[in-house]
Parts: sequence; C-alpha cells; structure tokens
Amino acid sequence: QVQLVQSGAEVKKPGASVKVSCKASGYTFTGYYMHWVRQAPGQGLEWMGRINPNSGGTNYAQKFQGRVTMTRDTSISTAYMELSRLRSDDTAVYYCARDRDDFWSPPFDYWGQGTLVTVSS
Amino acid sequence: DIQMTQSPSSLSASVGDRVTITCRASQGISNYLAWYQQKPGKVPKLLIYAASTLQSGVPSRFSGSGSGTDFTLTISSLQPEDVATYYCQKYNSAPRDFGGGTKVEIK
Repeated sequence: QVQLVQSGAEVKKPGASVKVSCKASGYTFTGYYMHWVRQAPGQGLEWMGRINPNSGGTNYAQKFQGRVTMTRDTSISTAYMELSRLRSDDTAVYYCARDRDDFWSPPFDYWGQGTLVTVSS
Repeated sequence: DIQMTQSPSSLSASVGDRVTITCRASQGISNYLAWYQQKPGKVPKLLIYAASTLQSGVPSRFSGSGSGTDFTLTISSLQPEDVATYYCQKYNSAPRDFGGGTKVEIK
C-alpha cells in the first residue's frame, strides 16, 4: 500500500534551517512528483513547491524562492524539503503529497502524516 | 498567478441539508480543479478531481461541477461526519494554489 512517512517534529530558533524528509513506499517513487504543502495554526493550506524525483527538477512558490530547497534521494525513495532563515511565522505543519501531473490521475491522492515545525526563540 | 477564491468562508447547516460551496478562479483553468476535505487535526483527503470525478471510496453524496472559472462542491445530504474544512485547488500548472477554505459545521 502507498505510504508517505515524514520525519518527526522539530523546534528551531529564528534564523536557523530545518530539513523535513518524506519516505515513500508502495509505488514507483520516480513516477510521481512530490509536493510540499504547509498549514500554519488555524490557517489554510499553502503550496510551497514540488520536485520531480526522476529528474530532480523543481518548481517553487514565489513566496519561498531563495529560502526553500527540495531534493530527493532515489536510492531510498525519500524526498526532502529544507527551509532556511526561519521566522516565527514559519511555524506550521508541513506535508508532503504525491501527484502524477496528469489531468486524469488524481492529484495529491496520498499525503504524509505531517511534520510540525515550531520556530521559537 | 491565478487566484482561487472560495465562498462562503464558513457555513452552518442541518443534518440532511443540501450544501453548496463555490470556488472561483481568476483565470480559466479548464477542468483542472480538485476538492479536498480536512477534518480537525487530520490530513487533507482528496474528494474530487477533474472538477467532477469522485475519488475512489468517497461517498456519492459528494459531487462537483463547473468548468473554466466557476466550480461548485455539493453535499447532497449533510451528515455529521462531514464536519470539516473544504479546499479547492487548481492543478493545471504550478503554482498549485488552494482556495482559502470553507468550514462546514452542523447547526
């Protein structure tokens, strides 16, 4: 069965970086884009960007350009999202979700369980 | 970028009521529209994609319609387990932005 398992909660100080992992299983890792979505406390869903695990190519939301880096390790079917220069308003639950980038395939049909990142001095 | 606007931001309805949520795109997105349900404290769940295709396992009381810029999610008979926040999302191209969400409660 398809599973996306994320790394555990993190507490970081302002200005630091955080790297969240998302380990995929139950499907061909390189066959689906991996997206990252975050949700601040009490707020809506915010798309951060995506990575093509096959090529390593990325697309980032303009808001995060220069602060976010998405990478992958195909040998262990794991995607990573690193966010730098953290601020208090980066406190959020960060999710990974897969997608085939194909109209007839259901988008974001599987999600990770979420990783809470807390930024506090 | 294309903006996704949902309305209303919240609603309260009785069990058995028909509930309709609207999503509007600032530019045409054909049928590249998905709907998600997020229950409190849970991971979002895909309900509908391609504007009107029900994801496997989703109850048939959920339906979607629309094309271009205007879309609707309808719950034909609201159930207590439908209490959640619903989000639309465009997926024709990056950025894959979401609407602001509609919180559905039971009256």
